[in-house]
Amino acid sequence: DVVMTQSPLSLPVTLGQPASISCRSSQSLVHSDGNTYLIWFQQRPGQSPRRLIFKVSNRDSGVPDRFSGSGSGTDFTLKISRVEAEDVGVYYCWQATHWPHTFGQGTKLEIK
Amino acid sequence: VQLVESGGGLVQPGGSLRLSCAASGFTFSGYWMSWVRQTPERGLEWAAHISQDGTVKYYVDSVRGRFTISRDNPMNSLYLEMNSLRAEDTAVYYCAKDGGVDWGQGTLVTVSS
Repeated sequence: DVVMTQSPLSLPVTLGQPASISCRSSQSLVHSDGNTYLIWFQQRPGQSPRRLIFKVSNRDSGVPDRFSGSGSGTDFTLKISRVEAEDVGVYYCWQATHWPHTFGQGTKLEIK
Repeated sequence: VQLVESGGGLVQPGGSLRLSCAASGFTFSGYWMSWVRQTPERGLEWAAHISQDGTVKYYVDSVRGRFTISRDNPMNSLYLEMNSLRAEDTAVYYCAKDGGVDWGQGTLVTVSS
């Protein structure tokens, strides 16, 4: 199975400051169809996960443009340009290239 | 889009449970669907996946042979039949639309004597 490793696991951030989460996969996430199925989710306390980014860098509808995704192959990053209070929660990367699909351990973002 | 899970509850080890997910607001038959489970200890775990017409199914190793995913397209419903339940199957179970774009609110399954 593809192992997804996130860092850091805990991320205290001052309001208005940037934040960055790394996600590394144990093998390339480039699918045979040429796409890279790396997805980022946000899970606010008490809520279901919400998809933010699909195929590495595509923002979902309604997701603020302060969220951005980048990377390729086995190395990926989620960036928040200026953290707001509503961004508190746990962020997960997920690969949907290889069966079984696998998640990272999650990164807990909190306000300092 | 709305996904509403039901069927969770308390069950003894070795027992069975059937989860349902009622879908609305989109063309259900046009999408792969998944069951994803979550525990505080293990985080999120993709459990099972089914193709649009129900003919292709994938399972994570830990549930293969015990769980069966199915769907009823005319009824816009997704199911997860869970047998030989173990304590480690205790989790919140979510149904999710293809690629995780939409999720239900989850239903809690507790396996305990």
